[in-house]
This record gives sequence, structure tokens and C-alpha cells, in this order.
Amino acid sequence: DAGVIQSPRHEVTEMGQEVTLRCKPISGHDYLFWYRQTMMRGLELLIYFNNNVPIDDSGMPEDRFSAKMPNASFSTLKIQPSEPRDSAVYFCASSPKQGRGGYGYTFGSGTRLTVV
Amino acid sequence: GDSVTQMEGPVTLSEEAFLTINCTYTATGYPSLFWYVQYPGEGLQLLLKATKADDKGSNKGFEATYRKETTSFHLEKGSVQVSDSAVYFCALSDINKFYFGSGTKLNVKP
Repeated sequence: DAGVIQSPRHEVTEMGQEVTLRCKPISGHDYLFWYRQTMMRGLELLIYFNNNVPIDDSGMPEDRFSAKMPNASFSTLKIQPSEPRDSAVYFCASSPKQGRGGYGYTFGSGTRLTVV
Repeated sequence: GDSVTQMEGPVTLSEEAFLTINCTYTATGYPSLFWYVQYPGEGLQLLLKATKADDKGSNKGFEATYRKETTSFHLEKGSVQVSDSAVYFCALSDINKFYFGSGTKLNVKP
């Protein structure tokens, strides 16, 4: 398996522009997670999906952020309009299940977003 | 609620030194416990895990034992290498949530 695939690896955009980050989870994983990592805040869970359905989006910072999962093999995180404070590394992760059964997350390599 | 607390870094060691990174957790039941490692410029990778009390997870010379009596899952390695320099995250998986610690940066000097 190729693992969790994210694109692009790096994105530089101007303030006010729309940014779309993409993720392909591992086949057969029912859960997909979007995280944001910054020096100041560490690792933050933004939203997660179960079987393509958004379950918890309480970590999405503002209405400027939206996420979709149209099918089991693809998810997007969109920021519109982008702001400099959105600069961070965004990770996608997937997992076969949730709970106490030792189901760890597999992370993608991340998208480093810089908003200037 | 559930939570994970790990020692603050950075931790700086010389090559071949013994490593301990402390991790304690709070949970109402019997969570699964994990250590993840993040190398510079990369995503988090699962290093090891344990699913029940007294289980020992191990990988690449690293070990951690699930201690329910002390609610701990400390990461250890007998002899660190420069290539072990990274950020280490302790994590907990419970019924509907996954909790990460704040991460501990390890610097290993030659």
C-alpha cells in the first residue's frame, strides 16, 4: 500500500486566495482525519470522517475552513479566503477503526501551507 | 476527560546514552497507548503500541510498557543514535477519541 497520500507537499498562496488540500486515505480505512500542526499550538484535530460522513468538525477554526469526503478514496480541505495565520502544516491521517483495539493512525507526509 | 501528558523538551543526549521520555495518561477505562515519531519534514509514524496493562511495545530498539497502576507509558531506548533525533508523541486511543501529547523533541549529538 502506498500509504496516505497528500497533495500538494508545499503550497504558497497570497492572502485572500482559495486553497484546496487533497488526501487519499489507505484503502479499507473507515476513518479519515485532518490535523493542523504549528509551533504555537502543536497538533490540532480539525475534523474527522467515518465512512465518508463528517462526525466531528468542532476543531475547524472558522467558517473559512470546509472539508469534504465525496467517496472513500478522496477528501479535501478547503480554506477560502486564506489568511497568513492559516500558515501551518496540514496532515491527513486514516485508521481502520476507532477505539481501544490498538488501531493506530497512519499519517500522510503533510502539506506545508504558507499564506503571504 | 481523557488526556495525555508527556515531558517537555527538548531532550539533548550524547550518542549511545540511555533515553527515557515520560508519558502519563488519564482515562476512565482501558485505552490503547501509542508512541509516534516525527522526523523533520515528515508526518507522524507509528513507533510502537500496547493495548492492555503490562503489555510491552517495542520497535527499532525502543520500548514502552503499559503500566496501569501508575497510568504511564514511558518510552525508553538503551543506546540512542544521531538518527533518533526527532519529535516523539505519546498518544491514547479510547472509545471515540484519539489524544496526542504535546510532543518531546529529542536531539542526539555525536
